[in-house]
Amino acid sequence: IAGITQAPTSQILAAGRRMTLRCTQDMRHNAMYWYRQDLGLGLRLIHYSNTAGTTGKGEVPDGYSVSRANTDDFPLTLASAVPSQTSVYFCASSTAGGSPLHFGNGTRLTVT
Amino acid sequence: AQSVTQLDSQVPVFEEAPVELRCNYSSSVSVYLFWYVQYPNQGLQLLLKYLSGSTLVESINGFEAEFNKSQTSFHLRKPSVHISDTAEYFCAVRMDMGRRALTFGSGTRLQVQP
Repeated sequence: IAGITQAPTSQILAAGRRMTLRCTQDMRHNAMYWYRQDLGLGLRLIHYSNTAGTTGKGEVPDGYSVSRANTDDFPLTLASAVPSQTSVYFCASSTAGGSPLHFGNGTRLTVT
Repeated sequence: AQSVTQLDSQVPVFEEAPVELRCNYSSSVSVYLFWYVQYPNQGLQLLLKYLSGSTLVESINGFEAEFNKSQTSFHLRKPSVHISDTAEYFCAVRMDMGRRALTFGSGTRLQVQP
């Protein structure tokens, strides 16, 4: 079934540890995104990539990094996790123009 | 900075009653507008979108939204809600055409009671 796969589904992580959230899409969409969802704040954009080989910063990029080596994969790395990064992380993708975003099912991350 | 405001964090309503979820945005340029729905422990699903043309757009499950440029609003309505409509609803806007990402509102929790 075409779509976006995120892994892991959930994770408990000690503060200071490094963590990579994986995201893979099989729809051949050019653009991909990482959002975090926090209660009362909705979804906030962390990083995005309009096409393979390029990335850009969103609203809340600090403490996160991304790479886009190919069209399908867009991993999000927390170099040294902090408790404020406890959140639900959603990966999304889209094609050009006004096309909507397609979302994965999310990764629930708890940093202790 | 661009922004999206959903004025109501929670909307309780009885089954078969009408509902309106409000959404306002700030922008002086053309926009694309979206409503997404999120059921518990799931990702976001597209409910409906406005790109151009008719200002009234409809979804397959009875929701509709009207783009009002003068009021910069995109309110979501349904004439008769069901228990199964209980979910979180997010309004989203694309205003920066150089970046395809969407800006989301803070969400409205629709709670349909029997």
